[in-house]
Amino acid sequence: GAVVSQHPSWVICKSGTSVKIECRSLDFQATTMFWYRQFPKQSLMLMATSNEGSKATYEQGVEKDKFLINHASLTLSTLTVTSAHPEDSSFYICSAYGPGNTIYFGEGSWLTVV
Amino acid sequence: SQELEQSPQSLIVQEGKNLTINCTSSKTLYGLYWYKQKYGEGLIFLMMLQKGGEEKSHEKITAKLDEKKQQSSLHITASQPSHAGIYLCGAYYSGNTPLVFGKGTRLSVIA
Repeated sequence: GAVVSQHPSWVICKSGTSVKIECRSLDFQATTMFWYRQFPKQSLMLMATSNEGSKATYEQGVEKDKFLINHASLTLSTLTVTSAHPEDSSFYICSAYGPGNTIYFGEGSWLTVV
Repeated sequence: SQELEQSPQSLIVQEGKNLTINCTSSKTLYGLYWYKQKYGEGLIFLMMLQKGGEEKSHEKITAKLDEKKQQSSLHITASQPSHAGIYLCGAYYSGNTPLVFGKGTRLSVIA
């Protein structure tokens, strides 16, 4: 079946550095991908909509200069957390509509900023 | 106010008992997904409902979509410890749009 893969699953970075998370649709093309963030004991909150070949659309309150999204191909969207701080530590997960107009989620990526 | 209200927020049931989790939308639903999540892990797809009145079952879990009430319910029969986790409903309000999630229901099943 359709698969969305995220990498890395776990990442630890130092405060002030940048970290990139990849979201790939493995067997289908996705012109649009969605990025979510989930803090402990909370639900998933939509951060942004990633559009292939154009700028991402960010939700209110999400800093576009801090969370850089690039969707350079039909199978890959990347989320770069720039100048990461401990408060950015969270679970980041992406999704995309695949075959049958069904939405598929990646496995998620845990980011810890120390 | 929250677009998607999920209730209850937490639930503790004795093993073998039945339970129901509800998800109510303040807007007209296009479709709704149910997921299970364990802390620190990704989402486990349970069911997708698109049509009013639709009902789907998988093993001991049944989900229904009530179009009139803009509500979906997830029912677990004869709960087991393996059912413990966080249940999330995610709704979409038009085609190819992102899911909006409820706050989740934390289910504990005790022996």
